[in-house]
Amino acid sequence: DVKVTQSSRYLVKRTGEKVFLECVQDMDHENMFWYRQDPGLGLRLIYFSYDVKMKEKGDIPEGYSVSREKKERFSLILESASTNQTSMYLCASRSTGMRGYTFGSGTRLTVV
Amino acid sequence: GNSVTQMEGPVTLSEEAFLTINCTYTATGYPSLFWYVQYPGEGLQLLLKATKADDKGSNKGFEATYRKETTSFHLEKGSVQVSDSAVYFCALRHNAGNMLTFGGGTRLMVKP
Repeated sequence: DVKVTQSSRYLVKRTGEKVFLECVQDMDHENMFWYRQDPGLGLRLIYFSYDVKMKEKGDIPEGYSVSREKKERFSLILESASTNQTSMYLCASRSTGMRGYTFGSGTRLTVV
Repeated sequence: GNSVTQMEGPVTLSEEAFLTINCTYTATGYPSLFWYVQYPGEGLQLLLKATKADDKGSNKGFEATYRKETTSFHLEKGSVQVSDSAVYFCALRHNAGNMLTFGGGTRLMVKP
């Protein structure tokens, strides 16, 4: 089975801190995604990447950046964390040509 | 653009009751449709999918039929169990694209 691993289940950070959320997948998928999940809003796409060093903005990229230096790893960066970035963050991956996505277990980030 | 609307929850049912969670979508062309499930404390898992009109996706007793005429993909189960308590997300992916668009999620609570 494909595995998508997010490095932290829970994080608490202070306003203004730079925050790194890490995601690693073990099945050589080309495509990786970062979503945030908020009650009533479902999942909203922040950024995605279809290849190493390639990235595309999703629906809500403001305040975030991403890095994909290796195929298996996709990092989400909060340059200066703010309280409105308190949320559940979900990483996903997909192989081109396949319809299914595999999600990680999520990182619940609280910014205080 | 693409959008997905699903009924707001929570939906509270007794064990063995019949479940319907409504989902309608807006998209051009012929998207693929999905239901994902998120159990407490976990990431999203693919529950079922359908890729063309009149297809029926099914898994674990859940079913959903791709209805192009009503742009719907309602989730049904004939007899729910306590273990089905989770949040259910309807989603679509346009076949020419790479991204999933999610509905807001519906929390299901099943009581013994």
